[in-house]
Amino acid sequence: DAGVIQSPRHEVTEMGQEVTLRCKPISGHNSLFWYRQTMMRGLELLIYFNNNVPIDDSGMPEDRFSAKMPNASFSTLKIQPSEPRDSAVYFCASSPGTSGSHEQYFGPGTRLTVT
Amino acid sequence: EDQVTQSPEALRLQEGESSSLNCSYTVSGLRGLFWYRQDPGKGPEFLFTLYSAGEEKEKERLKATLTKKESFLHITAPKPEDSATYLCAVQAMRGGATNKLIFGTGTLLAVQP
Repeated sequence: DAGVIQSPRHEVTEMGQEVTLRCKPISGHNSLFWYRQTMMRGLELLIYFNNNVPIDDSGMPEDRFSAKMPNASFSTLKIQPSEPRDSAVYFCASSPGTSGSHEQYFGPGTRLTVT
Repeated sequence: EDQVTQSPEALRLQEGESSSLNCSYTVSGLRGLFWYRQDPGKGPEFLFTLYSAGEEKEKERLKATLTKKESFLHITAPKPEDSATYLCAVQAMRGGATNKLIFGTGTLLAVQP
């Protein structure tokens, strides 16, 4: 299995630009998660989907952030407009179940730098 | 509010020097407690899931244990390749479908040869 795939691996952009991060979950997994990791705040859940439906977006910092999951094999996290404080590593993870207790499998992350 | 606290923040060990990492949690009903390993520049890698107090799981030099308030990750005779950040996360009992994890800030382990 290829594992969770994220692209790009690194993104450097200027303040005010739109940024789109992409994720392909593990085939057959029904839940998808977007996290942000910084030194100050650690790993924070932004949003998660069950069966392509957003379930909890309470971690999305503000309206500049949006996420979509048009099908079971693809999700995007968009930031528009980007700000320097958005600089972080963004991880996508997937899990085989939608309820009960299931481990999450993480992708390699996208390191975002906003100048 | 659900909360996870890990200690120490950083730990330096000599090769072969056994020790334990702590994860204290406050959650309104525990569905599962998870341990992950994270290497620099990589995503967290799943290690263990524990579900109830008294449960233990082992993998090579690592053993995870669980009580009603905390979990320990015991590292026996560590090697330099065990150096990483170890993350703990909890999943709370909630009505309806939810598999949200709350992560601690991790323990950075360095094992010197």
